[in-house]
Amino acid sequence: DVKVTQSSRYLVKRTGEKVFLECVQDMDHENMFWYRQDPGLGLRLIYFSYDVKMKEKGDIPEGYSVSREKKERFSLILESASTNQTSMYLCASSLDSVNQPQHFGDGTRLSIL
Amino acid sequence: AQSVTQLGSHVSVSEGALVLLRCNYSSSVPPYLFWYVQYPNQGLQLLLKYTTGATLVKGINGFEAEFKKSETSFHLTKPSAHMSDAAEYFCAVTIYGNNRLAFGKGNQVVVIP
Repeated sequence: DVKVTQSSRYLVKRTGEKVFLECVQDMDHENMFWYRQDPGLGLRLIYFSYDVKMKEKGDIPEGYSVSREKKERFSLILESASTNQTSMYLCASSLDSVNQPQHFGDGTRLSIL
Repeated sequence: AQSVTQLGSHVSVSEGALVLLRCNYSSSVPPYLFWYVQYPNQGLQLLLKYTTGATLVKGINGFEAEFKKSETSFHLTKPSAHMSDAAEYFCAVTIYGNNRLAFGKGNQVVVIP
């Protein structure tokens, strides 16, 4: 089975801090994704990556950046955390084929105080 | 761009009754369609997918969905609800050549004993 592991289940940070969320997958998937999930809004794509060192903006990239230095690892960075970034963050990965499903981690619930 | 509409953020169903979750998509080309389930404090898990071929798709936990091109729909059903079906359900769409999924806003299913 595909395993997508997010480094923290719960995280509390302060406004203005630089925050790193880490995601690792063990199935050699080419594609990796970062979403945020908010009640009533579903999942919104922040960034995705289709190869090492490659990235593309999703629907809501403002205030975020990403890093993919190795195929198995995809990091989401909040450059200067703000309270409106309090949310559930979900990482996913998939093979590089359009009909392949995305596999999700368990999420990181991030609170910015 | 593709999009998905799921009506009714909260759906209540009696134990043993039919579960019906509606999903309508918008796409100018043939779509690939997915249903995911999210149990509390977990990530999303694939229930079933439609790519090509048979329009009635069977998934895990007794769920199935039917792709109807004429109605641009991919509704999810289960004949008899179980308490363990209480979760949030998301419909998603993509197209050939695009690795991004467009998610609906989700249906929170409550099962009444």
